[in-house]
Amino acid sequence: GAVVSQHPSWVICKSGTSVKIECRSLDFQATTMFWYRQFPKKSLMLMATSNEGSKATYEQGVEKDKFLINHASLTLSTLTVTSAHPEDSSFYICSASPRTFTYEQYFGPGTRLTVT
Amino acid sequence: ELKVEQNPLFLSMQEGKNYTIYCNYSTTSDRLYWYRQDPGKSLESLFVLLSNGAVKQEGRLMASLDTKARLSTLHITAAVHDLSATYFCAVPRNSGGGADGLTFGKGTHLIIQP
Repeated sequence: GAVVSQHPSWVICKSGTSVKIECRSLDFQATTMFWYRQFPKKSLMLMATSNEGSKATYEQGVEKDKFLINHASLTLSTLTVTSAHPEDSSFYICSASPRTFTYEQYFGPGTRLTVT
Repeated sequence: ELKVEQNPLFLSMQEGKNYTIYCNYSTTSDRLYWYRQDPGKSLESLFVLLSNGAVKQEGRLMASLDTKARLSTLHITAAVHDLSATYFCAVPRNSGGGADGLTFGKGTHLIIQP
């Protein structure tokens, strides 16, 4: 159990376009989901915390107008990278915490975004 | 601001040897996580340590947590090549309970050679 999926697994887009990444908890309900980004050979950095039915909380330095997060249900959060630029190219990983075991955090397989 | 430091950042060792990875963090926390990451992949959860003195073992890996010293260790016993990966420790940003975003260490890139 406790599977988190992401879609797409990789995406290439042109500069100036927008890309939506989906994060789903497949077999549990997640009140809270998190979005991280990871640059090559670097660690993970928390971008934002997403709570179902409320606005996301963004970390300092993360542009909320550029990285739009929607958590419309207990099993789905989406991250939209708007007007993407090459510097947005990264590995985006979501995680989800179950309602019943909030100390657990299950990670999705990640989405590799390349902006050309 | 919470800081999480791992050392070493890079470790090359021979099969059959033992070694320890250290993780220090700067603020109070009673939870600590260890993850493994293979190249091009996401994170695989290894251990969740939930209290002072917690010790967990899985195969050749054993993790412990000392909340007073703000230190966790990941010990590798009789290393095998399959354990080659990058290992991350992570700590919740806030010391309160509940779901919270994690602050990660920089990771330890482990290479195990025959």
